[in-house]
Amino acid sequence: EDQVTQSPEALRLQEGESSSLNCSYTVSGLRGLFWYRQDPGKGPEFLFTLYSAGEEKEKERLKATLTKKESFLHITAPKPEDSATYLCAFPENQAGTALIFGKGTTLSVSS
Amino acid sequence: DSGVTQTPKHLITATGQRVTLRCSPRSGDLSVYWYQQSLDQGLQFLIQYYNGEERAKGNILERFSAQQFPDLHSELNLSSLELGDSALYFCASSGTTGQGAVGANVLTFGAGSRLTVL
Repeated sequence: EDQVTQSPEALRLQEGESSSLNCSYTVSGLRGLFWYRQDPGKGPEFLFTLYSAGEEKEKERLKATLTKKESFLHITAPKPEDSATYLCAFPENQAGTALIFGKGTTLSVSS
Repeated sequence: DSGVTQTPKHLITATGQRVTLRCSPRSGDLSVYWYQQSLDQGLQFLIQYYNGEERAKGNILERFSAQQFPDLHSELNLSSLELGDSALYFCASSGTTGQGAVGANVLTFGAGSRLTVL
């Protein structure tokens, strides 16, 4: 069964303390690995799409990378406003374009 | 504001009842997706419509149904409600036609409808 597994479930960091979130996947014929950010009580917000091993994308303090088995979301010098749940996802294999999400990593950054 | 509008924002009802959640996609988007998010199950894909037709189905219960209307808005109908149906229900939209299209799978989510079944 195709799936993604995210770790850790929760992560607490001090402001400025860099770290990484992991998304390991077992998906046949992966057509992209997606990262979303979700703030409490709100809908997920798109961050990145990675399509091939070795690809990297950056946005402010976030950098996403992809290997053949996993994706990492690196957070450099995080700030309290980076606190959120980060979700990775992959496209479902039916005829549509829906995404199947992992359970997420909840990041808390304290000042 | 993502451009995806969901109503109502909050809904409290009793077991056995039926409710309808409404979604207006971003202007120009033809695809609408419904997701359910509960604390223990995470974000679960329910169903996708593209330009009025069902395109893909996920973990949608038989008590749930959806449709997309000619003006592209969508409704999710939940019937014979149970306590376990209490969750956040998200609608998302995208403008792509299918797999492999440029920008495919970039979904824009609404703010959600919080359903509480008592």
